[in-house]
Amino acid sequence: GQQVMQIPQYQHVQEGEDFTTYCNSSTTLSNIQWYKQRPGGHPVFLIQLVKSGEVKKQKRLTFQFGEAKKNSSLHITATQTTDVGTYFCAGGSWGKFQFGAGTQVVVTP
Amino acid sequence: SQTIHQWPATLVQPVGSPLSLECTVEGTSNPNLYWYRQAAGRGLQLLFYSVGIGQISSEVPQNLSASRPQDRQFILSSKKLLLSDSGFYLCAWSEGTSGEETQYFGPGTRLLVL
Repeated sequence: GQQVMQIPQYQHVQEGEDFTTYCNSSTTLSNIQWYKQRPGGHPVFLIQLVKSGEVKKQKRLTFQFGEAKKNSSLHITATQTTDVGTYFCAGGSWGKFQFGAGTQVVVTP
Repeated sequence: SQTIHQWPATLVQPVGSPLSLECTVEGTSNPNLYWYRQAAGRGLQLLFYSVGIGQISSEVPQNLSASRPQDRQFILSSKKLLLSDSGFYLCAWSEGTSGEETQYFGPGTRLLVL
């Protein structure tokens, strides 16, 4: 069955640095979505990518969908303390929607 | 606009007691509804989903059950709680029929079973 994996599981980042988290699927996806969960909060939808090779930006966040539509990445530049939280990717394929285990991001000032 | 409510926000229950968590959605008709459980520091485990009144699909065998008595109401229940039922329970909704739509989460219920 479809598996969606995220790496790394944890990411410690110094404020001001850049980092990237990755999402990989065992099957080709029709779309991929990214969610952010702040500590103590609930997951909130960030963005959806549909096209092969698609790149979308939200301020300091850059989302990319791989050419083969089996992987995605989230790159954050100049990390701020407001970026702390867990970032989940979720892949859609054949009517199924599966969340990755998330990347927990800790930002140190 | 659409809103999703969950209650209670927190709950402490003894082992063996029953459970009822409620989720309601406003501002949409015939939504898809989902129950997830999240253990501390872990990912989202899909427990149940529903595409319509009385239609429940279970993703994992467990001590829990779900019901959808009304279009925008989704209830998670247990007859006898286990210690392993502790966690953060999230309800979510989506629109559409593909099964791959964006999901919108409620604020969640934190359940501690002692």
